[in-house]
Amino acid sequence: ILNVEQSPQSLHVQEGDSTNFTCSFPSSNFYALHWYRWETAKSPEALFVMTLNGDEKKKGRISATLNTKEGYSYLYIKGSQPEDSATYLCAFMIKAAGNKLTFGGGTRVLVKP
Amino acid sequence: DGGITQSPKYLFRKEGQNVTLSCEQNLNHDAMYWYRQDPGQGLRLIYYSQIVNDFQKGDIAEGYSVSREKKESFPLTVTSAQKNPTAFYLCASRGQRDNTEAFFGQGTRLTVV
Repeated sequence: ILNVEQSPQSLHVQEGDSTNFTCSFPSSNFYALHWYRWETAKSPEALFVMTLNGDEKKKGRISATLNTKEGYSYLYIKGSQPEDSATYLCAFMIKAAGNKLTFGGGTRVLVKP
Repeated sequence: DGGITQSPKYLFRKEGQNVTLSCEQNLNHDAMYWYRQDPGQGLRLIYYSQIVNDFQKGDIAEGYSVSREKKESFPLTVTSAQKNPTAFYLCASRGQRDNTEAFFGQGTRLTVV
């Protein structure tokens, strides 16, 4: 079983503050790293798919970086808003496992007005 | 509209009965996945399929079975051998290119009494 670790498990952020959290994954045989946002009563939706070491992706106030050599990715939320409250999931793929997509436990973010 | 549909949304079954959860997609995706979520946990992979008539066990396949007779459909059967079947089940699909994200259904909440 591939271990994909996310930390912290949960965090509370004051509206307007910026925050970040981590996804750690095995660095060998890296293929792709996905980030998803999962809001209550909705389906998970993709934020980013990252495949290259040093990748940086941005969507609005949310951005992500990737370090495949050391096996981690950071997700950043700048100027958090209440609508950013959700669980953020990362998922990992390795070359040897074809399309296997393994998720971490998620980071639950609550933005307080 | 293209999408992925799971049915039913809620399902109740008596202990010892097999039950089949439906997942259909019209996105022309080759890869399909079944995940399970328990309270306070992330998504755990049950089975995945990369192509019609082929599927692989995920990390928690015991007590489950799947079939992939058509590209559009990937039903999951929860058998009586599954010791703790009560959970939220999510189906996903994904294209085969490196940088494509997964798309998720709305989920089925299964309660076994």
